[in-house]
Amino acid sequence: GAGVSQSPSNKVTEKGKDVELRCDPISGHTALYWYRQSLGQGLEFLIYFQGNSAPDKSGLPSDRFSAERTGGSVSTLTIQRTQQEDSAVYLCASSLVLAGASGELFFGEGSRLTVL
Amino acid sequence: QKEVEQNSGPLSVPEGAIASLNCTYSDRGSQSFFWYRQYSGKSPELIMFIYSNGDKEDGRFTAQLNKASQYVSLLIRDSQPSDSATYLCAVRNSGTYKYIFGTGTRLKVLA
Repeated sequence: GAGVSQSPSNKVTEKGKDVELRCDPISGHTALYWYRQSLGQGLEFLIYFQGNSAPDKSGLPSDRFSAERTGGSVSTLTIQRTQQEDSAVYLCASSLVLAGASGELFFGEGSRLTVL
Repeated sequence: QKEVEQNSGPLSVPEGAIASLNCTYSDRGSQSFFWYRQYSGKSPELIMFIYSNGDKEDGRFTAQLNKASQYVSLLIRDSQPSDSATYLCAVRNSGTYKYIFGTGTRLKVLA
């Protein structure tokens, strides 16, 4: 696709349920990022993948959060046993990692998660 | 201390004025600095990036970087109501592809 695609755009779930959020990055972008943005707040780094390197998981807030990236492309962010404080917009971004590239992050439209 | 700090605002400026947005960062080894604009309910989009000390100009926008002071700023000349948005400062940590964002400064340009 032309841009970063995320699904679902909106997800309402009950506390304690598991959710999966999907991100399809721009074709050819080797770096993929997940951020979380709570209402009126900045972007909180969660995790990033770069090529075949081990992902940097340093921003995951708890072991209920996990992410994988299959085949160097699509990524899934999984939140187990959701809590109300998990309610936020989850933004995925991708980037072209290449000598001379600007390092610009291209964001998807986000997945808005509401935990009741 | 937060890794990237910004004043949350709102910063209100009259139309046609210069808006000055500031950002400080803690990782002295950081190499790359970015300004993103985020309209309400939308995703961030890149405005400018800067790598070297000094000023970088692009149209009405000027980014300024002072690595010694660990300070990066964004100036918007001839501010327009359409510039009203949240401006996010992002810093790429040294030796990684990890980008840390500030909490953003909300700018209001008054017509």
